[in-house]
Amino acid sequence: GENVEQHPSTLSVQEGDSAVIKCTYSDSASNYFPWYKQELGKRPQLIIDIRSNVGEKKDQRIAVTLNKTAKHFSLHITETQPEDSAVYFCAANRMEYGNKLVFGAGTILRVKS
Amino acid sequence: EAGVAQSPRYKIIEKRQSVAFWCNPISGHATLYWYQQILGQGPKLLIQFQNNGVVDDSQLPKDRFSAERLKGVDSTLKIQPAKLEDSAVYLCASSLGSGHQQETQYFGPGTRLLVL
Repeated sequence: GENVEQHPSTLSVQEGDSAVIKCTYSDSASNYFPWYKQELGKRPQLIIDIRSNVGEKKDQRIAVTLNKTAKHFSLHITETQPEDSAVYFCAANRMEYGNKLVFGAGTILRVKS
Repeated sequence: EAGVAQSPRYKIIEKRQSVAFWCNPISGHATLYWYQQILGQGPKLLIQFQNNGVVDDSQLPKDRFSAERLKGVDSTLKIQPAKLEDSAVYLCASSLGSGHQQETQYFGPGTRLLVL
C-alpha cells in the first residue's frame, strides 16, 4: 500500500522567511497530492493540491512542486506570517482506490515574529 | 455553504464503555469518510462510504468499531468496547463523490475522545 513520509517534523522560521516541507511517497501510481493546514484544535483545511500531470502549482504565497520520477513533492511558503503557524499535512491518493488519502505525519510550523 | 458537522465535540469515557459519534456531510456529497487522528500523527482512514455502501473498511478494527450510513446522508461511528488506545480525534470528511476525478475532501471539526 501507499506510504507517505514527511519532513521535517518541526520547523521554526522568522517572519518573512520562506518555509519548505517535503514529502515522499512509495506508490508510483499515486496521482493526486493535497496539502492540508490544521490550526490547533481545528479541522484540517485544504490549502493547495497538485495532480500528477503538473509539475508546479502556485497560489499567492504558497506553491507545491512535484517530482514524479523521484516520488516526492514539496510545499513552499514564502514571506511567512505568524498566522501561517499550524500543522501541515501532505497526502497522496490513488484514484483507483476510491479517492483514498494516505497522510504524512505532519509538520509543526512556527513563525516567529 | 454549511460545512461538515460532527457531534459531540468532546467525549470522556472509561475503558470498556461504548461511545458513538455522528456526522452530517456537506449537502449533496455522496462520499463520506471517517478518520482517526492520534495526537502527533496524520489522519488515518477508518472507513469510506459511497452513498450508503462501504468502499473501504480495511483499516477499521471490526471487533470493536462499527459504522453505518443507512440513508446515504448522516453517518454514525461506534466503538464498543473502548480501549485506552482509542483516545484520539475522530474526523469525518466528505467529498462530492463523482468517482472520476481526484476530489477535495472537506473535514468536520472532529470529536475528541478520551478513554480513561
